[in-house]
Amino acid sequence: QSALTQPASVSGSPGQSITISCTGTSSDVGGYNYVSWYQQHPGKAPKLMIYDVSNRPSGVSNRFSGSKSGNTASLTISGLQAEDEADYYCSSYTSSVVFGGGTKLTVL
Amino acid sequence: QVQLVQSGAEVKKPGASVKVSCKVSGYTLTELSMHWVRQAPGKGLEWMGGFDPEDGETIYAQKFQGRVTMTEDTSTDTAYMELSSLRSEDTAVYYCATEWRTGTGRGDAFDIWGQGTMVTVSS
Repeated sequence: QSALTQPASVSGSPGQSITISCTGTSSDVGGYNYVSWYQQHPGKAPKLMIYDVSNRPSGVSNRFSGSKSGNTASLTISGLQAEDEADYYCSSYTSSVVFGGGTKLTVL
Repeated sequence: QVQLVQSGAEVKKPGASVKVSCKVSGYTLTELSMHWVRQAPGKGLEWMGGFDPEDGETIYAQKFQGRVTMTEDTSTDTAYMELSSLRSEDTAVYYCATEWRTGTGRGDAFDIWGQGTMVTVSS
């Protein structure tokens, strides 16, 4: 299974909204609603932000939202804050798990 | 609250094996589907394998098949990941991770992670 495709980096100013894309195939992202998103700060373990395309775990800010269209899933962060600066990874499940390459979010 | 506590850093020579442990507290290992994910320095996340509750079996990523073994000791609620024939490219932080509250039933939405174990492979 090939890694999912994410942009290497995105940036935005505080208060703005940004979207990170995650492109797979009809065999993974497009075929199932089993996409998750993780946030990782330097030196820390990843944190689950979104699962099953658009569900937020308890305690995750509603500024984070997920969606999917065809073979591409997206993570949108609204009202950007300095603490959102981190690496973000998508993953897809099809009896095995595959991650995207990761996107570095910079808050300007 | 479920917590995963991993064993300490390891330094191994090429060709050796390493066994990393992941102890569950606050829950019972048999009620969780444990997975292992690694991250090489400056690189992304890489899934190595984990327990598939739908099949009741441990599934390994094709890349690691034949080199990785994931086991569990239910008497101590501890999961293990052993990687053999180590090479320099295996230098990475190894994480155990599991699904606890998300309740997908598939076990792939990892809302609980261990703190990570650094494994360095160097001659």
